[in-house]
Amino acid sequence: AQTVTQSQPEMSVQEAETVTLSCTYDTSESNYYLFWYKQPPSRQMILVIRQEAYKQQNATENRFSVNFQKAAKSFSLKISDSQLGDTAMYFCAFVGGSNYKLTFGKGTLLTVNP
Amino acid sequence: DGGITQSPKYLFRKEGQNVTLSCEQNLNHDAMYWYRQDPGQGLRLIYYSQIVNDFQKGDIAEGYSVSREKKESFPLTVTSAQKNPTAFYLCASSIGGLNRNGEQFFGPGTRLTVL
Repeated sequence: AQTVTQSQPEMSVQEAETVTLSCTYDTSESNYYLFWYKQPPSRQMILVIRQEAYKQQNATENRFSVNFQKAAKSFSLKISDSQLGDTAMYFCAFVGGSNYKLTFGKGTLLTVNP
Repeated sequence: DGGITQSPKYLFRKEGQNVTLSCEQNLNHDAMYWYRQDPGQGLRLIYYSQIVNDFQKGDIAEGYSVSREKKESFPLTVTSAQKNPTAFYLCASSIGGLNRNGEQFFGPGTRLTVL
């Protein structure tokens, strides 16, 4: 069974600074996808970034980038130039093999302070 | 605009009553999912459906039932057998099939409160 672990229940950062959220996962699959989802106070789940396991290059979406370490089964999210609108719960998620199911971590609550 | 709608946004239920949460998508996605979200628990999968007229239990299916009679619709019934139904419920969909990349699209959610 796959597991996803987010070891930081809460984090805070000052506006315009950089913050990194951690995620580790466990799987025996060789082909899989990893995701970071954002859930702001509105509770709408929004996809932030996606990484395909067979791609060595780390995914980047504007101010969001990942550090994907396949051997270490680590998938951290870096947010640069943090903005107040980045305040949200962030979930790391995994899907692999023939399984359609997403496995989520328990989330990290990020607060961006002015 | 393509997307997923859930209704109602807020739902109140008396103990012992069954209630049905609606989920509709116009993304032409094959797969649909129901999650339950509790504080500190992340998202837990209740049921999922990969194709019309077929669905499978997720990790916490007890006390819930679903149907998938149409591709666009995947309603969730919370029965009186669910002992602690107060939670936030999220519906999602994904492309499914061989072209899938795992990404799921989420609806805005329904907050269910048992009085």
